[in-house]
Amino acid sequence: NAGVTQTPKFRILKIGQSMTLQCTQDMNHNYMYWYRQDPGMGLKLIYYSVGAGITDKGEVPNGYNVSRSTTEDFPLRLELAAPSQTSVYFCASSPRGPLEQYFGPGTRLTVT
Amino acid sequence: GIQVEQSPPDLILQEGANSTLRCNFSDSVNNLQWFHQNPWGQLINLFYIPSGTKQNGRLSATTVATERYSLLYISSSQTTDSGVYFCAVERRLRVSNFGNEKLTFGTGTRLTIIP
Repeated sequence: NAGVTQTPKFRILKIGQSMTLQCTQDMNHNYMYWYRQDPGMGLKLIYYSVGAGITDKGEVPNGYNVSRSTTEDFPLRLELAAPSQTSVYFCASSPRGPLEQYFGPGTRLTVT
Repeated sequence: GIQVEQSPPDLILQEGANSTLRCNFSDSVNNLQWFHQNPWGQLINLFYIPSGTKQNGRLSATTVATERYSLLYISSSQTTDSGVYFCAVERRLRVSNFGNEKLTFGTGTRLTIIP
């Protein structure tokens, strides 16, 4: 199993551009999560999903969108990128809710 | 929302030393977890411990839910223990299958082990 994979690893965006961060898991987990980690801070939940077709907002959803058309994939969409979205983004999956989350390696995004 | 505070923010120790990391939370919680983020950014689950004590090798954790804190103990530290340790809590607000399915993270303790 590859576990949780994220692409790209690094990305630089200009203000106003859009992009999609990809997250895929091959463990057949129902639960998937997107977090952002700002320098020196803990993780903050952006969006989460409890299964295909079901998503909900976390603490900091503004400026982001998600979809969950399959169990495996949970892409995060940034529309109109802003400097405040410069962060490291982690995707995670879990077989049973917030417990036992498996994290991807992260995507480092810079918006200039 | 629930507040999660960790102390100390930074800790520098010699290899072989023992350490205690603390996590305080502002309200009752359903779940509590400890994570280790290594220097390469990878996040790894250490313990799921909403109450009581658990041990895994040189690491152990204790949560006293009634007093709203948890402690992570690291004994005989090794350089591979370096990184940031996060405490995260879940407080379930709704009783449903699609409830408050999320963790709130503290800001972490950065541990540096010197050879």
